[in-house]
Amino acid sequence: NAGVTQTPKFQVLKTGQSMTLQCAQDMNHEYMSWYRQDPGMGLRLIHYSVGAGITDQGEVPNGYNVSRSTTEDFPLRLLSAAPSQTSVYFCASSYIRTGGSYGYTFGSGTRLTVV
Amino acid sequence: GDSVTQMEGPVTLSEEAFLTINCTYTATGYPSLFWYVQYPGEGLQLLLKATKADDKGSNKGFEATYRKETTSFHLEKGSVQVSDSAVYFCALSQIQGAQKLVFGQGTRLTINP
Repeated sequence: NAGVTQTPKFQVLKTGQSMTLQCAQDMNHEYMSWYRQDPGMGLRLIHYSVGAGITDQGEVPNGYNVSRSTTEDFPLRLLSAAPSQTSVYFCASSYIRTGGSYGYTFGSGTRLTVV
Repeated sequence: GDSVTQMEGPVTLSEEAFLTINCTYTATGYPSLFWYVQYPGEGLQLLLKATKADDKGSNKGFEATYRKETTSFHLEKGSVQVSDSAVYFCALSQIQGAQKLVFGQGTRLTINP
């Protein structure tokens, strides 16, 4: 299994450009989420999804859109890139099973620079 | 809202030294607690977890005990190795296995030979 796959690994954008960060998982996990990692601030939740067709905002959603048309895919769209969105972005998937077992899997990240 | 606070870094130790990275949390109810590790250039990997008070999570020589009375989940290792050099994140989740993790700011650990 590939786990959680993020593309691209690196990206440079100009201010005002739009782009989509891709995230795909092959573990049939119900939940998927996007985080951004900034120095000294840990990881902060941007958006999350509890299943296909259902999304919700996290702690820092402004400037980002998401959709979940399939269980496998959860793309993150930057509508009009700003320098404040320079960060490392991580996608994660997670599950809950009957009996309480659960787990998270993170992708390897996308390093985005907005100039 | 929920929050996690980790000790300030960076932390630099010599090989075979004892490691403690402090983590305290503020949350309602009984969250699950995690330690994640990020090696250079890689994503996050789950190191250990605990789901209820007094649980001890352990993995690769690392341990952490869920202390409800002090709202803490300190990470310890008795003898660190150069290969332990990484960034360590403490995190909590209010709903087991759900989609929302709250992270601390991370602690960069460097182990010198």
